[in-house]
Amino acid sequence: AQSVTQPDIHITVSEGASLELRCNYSYGATPYLFWYVQSPGQGLQLLLKYFSGDTLVQGIKGFEAEFKRSQSSFNLRKPSVHWSDAAEYFCAVGAGHNDMRFGAGTRLTVKP
Amino acid sequence: NAGVTQTPKFRVLKTGQSMTLLCAQDMNHEYMYWYRQDPGMGLRLIHYSVGEGTTAKGEVPDGYNVSRLKKQNFLLGLESAAPSQTSVYFCASSPDRPLGYEQYFGPGTRLTVT
Repeated sequence: AQSVTQPDIHITVSEGASLELRCNYSYGATPYLFWYVQSPGQGLQLLLKYFSGDTLVQGIKGFEAEFKRSQSSFNLRKPSVHWSDAAEYFCAVGAGHNDMRFGAGTRLTVKP
Repeated sequence: NAGVTQTPKFRVLKTGQSMTLLCAQDMNHEYMYWYRQDPGMGLRLIHYSVGEGTTAKGEVPDGYNVSRLKKQNFLLGLESAAPSQTSVYFCASSPDRPLGYEQYFGPGTRLTVT
């Protein structure tokens, strides 16, 4: 069964600094990969997804992620973080409609 | 277009009580899901449905039941609540496409069992 690891439980960055959130997965074939963001007290919102094709995918709110098959990674990046980006971020791996696995999440704090 | 809505937003139960959580979606999605979210564990799938009248077990189904009598609604029931069921519950839905089946989430229900 596929699994997802987000190695960083909590990350703090300064506003305006760059951001990279790590995600590693375990799966036998090329999986479907997602990043979701959860603001406090809210549900999850899709930031971006990868199914095939170009390994660098662009998402909403200025986020991008790169699929690296050799490293089994799908890291999320943003060149300049805004205070409103403070939230919890979840990486997810999907093998089918009923088989989505989520990582434990990375909480992002943004310092002024 | 409200997307995915959940009722109620908060609930406190005593051990042994029962309750039903309601999820509704207005996007005509075939697939619907119930997850629970616990600190440090991400989201875990409780039950899901691939269409009206169908349900199936997910990763952590024990202590829960579900029903999908109408395509737009997916109900999650707790027959005899236990403190271990204290959690935040999320409903989600997704369209029936071979690709691009991202899930759309409701705002969640925070349940406390004392």
